Amino acid sequence: EIVMTQSPATLSVSPGERATLSCRASQSVSSNLAWYQQKPGQAPRLLIYGASTRATGIPARFSGSGSGTEFTLTISSLQSEDFAVYYCQQLSTFGPGTKVDIK
Amino acid sequence: QVQLVESGGGVVQPGRSLRLSCAASGFTFSSYGMHWVRQAPGKGLEWVAVIWYDGSNKYYADSVKGRFTISRDNSKNTLYLQMNSLRAEDTAVYYCARDAGGYYSVDWYFDLWGRGTLVTVSS
Repeated sequence: EIVMTQSPATLSVSPGERATLSCRASQSVSSNLAWYQQKPGQAPRLLIYGASTRATGIPARFSGSGSGTEFTLTISSLQSEDFAVYYCQQLSTFGPGTKVDIK
Repeated sequence: QVQLVESGGGVVQPGRSLRLSCAASGFTFSSYGMHWVRQAPGKGLEWVAVIWYDGSNKYYADSVKGRFTISRDNSKNTLYLQMNSLRAEDTAVYYCARDAGGYYSVDWYFDLWGRGTLVTVSS
């Protein structure tokens, strides 16, 4: 069973700054990785799939990279609406999440 | 309007059963694989089950295998989750989610989610 880990658990960022979130798989998952954003009281929203392809309607400030076991989600300039929890996912396994909060 | 709407949650005693429904609208439901994903209070996301567009294949998380059954009625545009022998650890918000594969494939990306329905297992 593949285990997904995410770091850091919490990331404190000021609005306008860049945020870099990491996701690691315990074995290679090729590019079969997605990222989701979840705000309190809301359902998750698909941001990135195939490790680097933005989902429909996702702003260009969100980008994904990586393959194999190491993946990164970058938010180039944080907006107020981006403060949320971010999950990576590979097939049936989700990572534990990274909470991005206001510094 | 493209949407998924879950229903059927509530408070249930340990060992009892509950059936969740997910009504789909605004897209060709019969062309898409569908999933259930749950989230315990204050916790992360846990995938629960998947069903192929035609119901031909179904897979489950080990934590629910043998107790939960996923099914669908394409004539009613509805997804179901039959939950038997419920345990306290099944307490969660249950989301239905559409597989992004579409057109008869399952890609394991979830591109449309409902708002969820809360299941509380407690005596």
